[in-house]
Amino acid sequence: DIVMTQSPLSLPVTPGEPASISCTSSQSLLDSNGYICLDWYLQKPGQSPQLLIYLGSNRASGVPDRFSGSGSGTDFTLKISRVEAEDVGVYYCMQALQAPITFGQGTRLEI
Amino acid sequence: EVQLVESGGGLVQPGGSLRLSCAASRFTFSSYWMSWVRQAPGKGPEWVANINQDGSDKNYVDSVKGRFTISRDNAKNSLYLQMNSLRAEDTAVYYCARSDKCAFDIWGQGTMVTVSS
Repeated sequence: DIVMTQSPLSLPVTPGEPASISCTSSQSLLDSNGYICLDWYLQKPGQSPQLLIYLGSNRASGVPDRFSGSGSGTDFTLKISRVEAEDVGVYYCMQALQAPITFGQGTRLEI
Repeated sequence: EVQLVESGGGLVQPGGSLRLSCAASRFTFSSYWMSWVRQAPGKGPEWVANINQDGSDKNYVDSVKGRFTISRDNAKNSLYLQMNSLRAEDTAVYYCARSDKCAFDIWGQGTMVTVSS
């Protein structure tokens, strides 16, 4: 199984300041077509997870451009250029390269 | 609006069975892989199973193999999860999710399953 490791697990931030979350996979997430099967999700309190970033660096529909994803191979980063109050919640990375699909432990962003 | 709505959760005794359903609307259900993802109280999400467009390919996490069965009915735009031999550790909110471009782009609101005597 591919193990996903996130850091930090807790991230206190000040509104207007940047934030960054790291995710490392135990093996490369590059698929045979050259795509990176790595996604980022945000789960706000009391809600279902919502897709933020897919294929490593593509923003999902409706996601503000303050969110960006980067990385390759086994090391990935989610960046928020200027944190807003509505960004609080738990952020998860997830690999969908192979079954079993696996998630990171989650990073709780707090303001 | 594209939507997934789960149903069928509830309280069940250890060793019991439950069948979850997920109704899809406003998209071509038969064109997508679909998954079940669960989240135990206070824990992160855990992928449970997925199924391809025509139901011929299915995958499961090891902990549910032989106990859970994923299926779909494209004519009814519905996804199912038959859960047998339920254990306390299966207690979770169960979400159905649509797969697109290596991601779960649409999630339902979830249905709670509690396994307890």
